[in-house]
Amino acid sequence: DQQVKQNSPSLSVQEGRISILNCDYTNSMFDYFLWYKKYPAEGPTFLISISSIKDKNEDGRFTVFLNKSAKHLSLHIVPSQPGDSAVYFCAASDSGNQFYFGTGTSLTVIP
Amino acid sequence: EPEVTQTPSHQVTQMGQEVILRCVPISNHLYFYWYRQILGQKVEFLVSFYNNEISEKSEIFDDQFSVERPDGSNFTLKIRSTKLEDSAMYFCASSEWNTEAFFGQGTRLTVV
Repeated sequence: DQQVKQNSPSLSVQEGRISILNCDYTNSMFDYFLWYKKYPAEGPTFLISISSIKDKNEDGRFTVFLNKSAKHLSLHIVPSQPGDSAVYFCAASDSGNQFYFGTGTSLTVIP
Repeated sequence: EPEVTQTPSHQVTQMGQEVILRCVPISNHLYFYWYRQILGQKVEFLVSFYNNEISEKSEIFDDQFSVERPDGSNFTLKIRSTKLEDSAMYFCASSEWNTEAFFGQGTRLTVV
């Protein structure tokens, strides 16, 4: 039973444009959400997080939006750069001791 | 910048053998985790560890798996009798509290 879903396995964007990565979840008890970036043969790197008491969190070029009623979050990258090309994982936690990961979206930023 | 380190980076083992994967979490972190990613699949939770005991574990984490924090700095994952399907990238992670977890670079385990 997949509690965190990323329905787009891949996304291609032109350099300088906005990248929007989407994530849906089913467990209404999740209260903390994270985005990780992963390069091949490396561990996931934490990017940005958001608590369920907020609907937006911004850090430089990265903004995460949370829509609790829709159980949906998204990561916006503006402007996209070729170095952003990686696999992006959405993750969620319910104040427990584990993070539930989505299957990832492979982002390619085309120069 | 503090980081989680894992050794070895790649481990090849015969089916049925025991393996120990090692991790040094970030020093002031309290929660420790093991995750794995089978090639082409999602990152899967195995176990979390807090206050010298397992706090949560998944269905994957059966009796063949164990974790230990033997000396206050290392955090190990032992697989007692490896199976072919245990081949995966194993990631150790640590976090200060219920906040973002920081991951190591992973150990690629290949069971032959």
